[in-house]
This record gives sequence, C-alpha cells and structure tokens, in this order.
Amino acid sequence: KAGVTQTPRYLIKTRGQQVTLSCSPISGHRSVSWYQQTPGQGLQFLFEYFSETQRNKGNFPGRFSGRQFSNSRSEMNVSTLELGDSALYLCASSLRQNYGYTFGSGTRLTVV
Amino acid sequence: GDSVTQMEGPVTLSEEAFLTINCTYTATGYPSLFWYVQYPGEGLQLLLKATKADDKGSNKGFEATYRKETTSFHLEKGSVQVSDSAVYFCALIYNQGGKLIFGQGTELSVKP
Repeated sequence: KAGVTQTPRYLIKTRGQQVTLSCSPISGHRSVSWYQQTPGQGLQFLFEYFSETQRNKGNFPGRFSGRQFSNSRSEMNVSTLELGDSALYLCASSLRQNYGYTFGSGTRLTVV
Repeated sequence: GDSVTQMEGPVTLSEEAFLTINCTYTATGYPSLFWYVQYPGEGLQLLLKATKADDKGSNKGFEATYRKETTSFHLEKGSVQVSDSAVYFCALIYNQGGKLIFGQGTELSVKP
C-alpha cells in the first residue's frame, strides 16, 4: 500500500515568488492535513481538508491556502514568499482522526 | 487552549537503558493521544496511540498509558537501541477537525 507522497522533496524559491506543493494521500483516506515544521516554532497546523472541504484552519496569514480535489489529492499554495516561510512542509492523511495520521516525507522549502 | 508539553531534550542514554519521555497535556475535552517519531530527513511516523482514558498503546517495545487523572501520556521503553535515536513527538487530537496539536519534541540519542 503506497504511503503519503509529497512532491517536490526540495524547493528553492526567491522572496516574493509563489509556490505550490502537492500531496497524494493513502488510497481511501479522505482527510488531509498540512503542517509547517521549523526549528523555532516546531510543528504548526496549517489546515485540514475532508471531501474537498476545509474543515479547520490554523493561525497562518492568508498567503497560505490549500485545496483538495475529488480524488483526495491536495495542494497548498504560498504566495508572496518571505524568508520566514523556509520550513519543512508536511502533509498527512487519515481514514479517521482517532486512527492517527500518516505523514509524508515532506517538502523542504528554502526561500532566499 | 489545548496544549502538549514534553520534557526537554536532548536525552542521551546508553544502549539497553530504560527510557522515559514525559508528556502532559491540557485539553478541554477528551482527545486521542499519540506518539510520533521522526528520523533525520524524514517525516513523522506514528509510533503508538490511545483513544480513551486508561488505554495503553504499544509498538516496537514502546508503551504509553493514557492517564486522565494526571493528564499524562509518558512514553517508556525497557531497553533502548542505537536505532531508536530520533526525535519523539507527543500529540493530541479531537475526533472532529483533523488538527493534531504537538509537543515541542524530545530528541533521543542512544550511544553504543
């Protein structure tokens, strides 16, 4: 059974640009969540989608957005990149929340 | 608000030593609790979970018991190996909303 797949693994962008990250969940999983991981702030929740609907959103500016498609694949977009957006972005999927989420390997974004 | 607090690391142990990583939580309801492990350069892996009070989660020799009276979910292992060296995260989630709340992580280093 394939795991959660995130692409690309690494990304270098310039300040002011925008970026789109992709996540393919485990087959059958309809809940997809996104997290930002930095050394200073740790793991912070960005948003969660279930059946194409955003159900929960973390405390991030509107530059961070996401969506989920009918096949449960998800994308997140960050516009007008700032240096502070450099982080590991993790996607996770679950059949149901209390089963636990399965995480992908992440996308390492570096903003220069 | 809801939060998770873990003991600070790094924790350094010799191989075959006993491991305890403390985790306490603050929650307004009745969450499910998890331990995740992160190896260098990788995403998070679900180690074990407990969904209600007095449940014991276990996996690969690791154990943790959901203690509602002390709001704790301490991780234990009787005999650690070098391969257990990683960062361990305690987390909670409610049944709706898909938002995992993580502790700050505890780095474990096991020496041969």
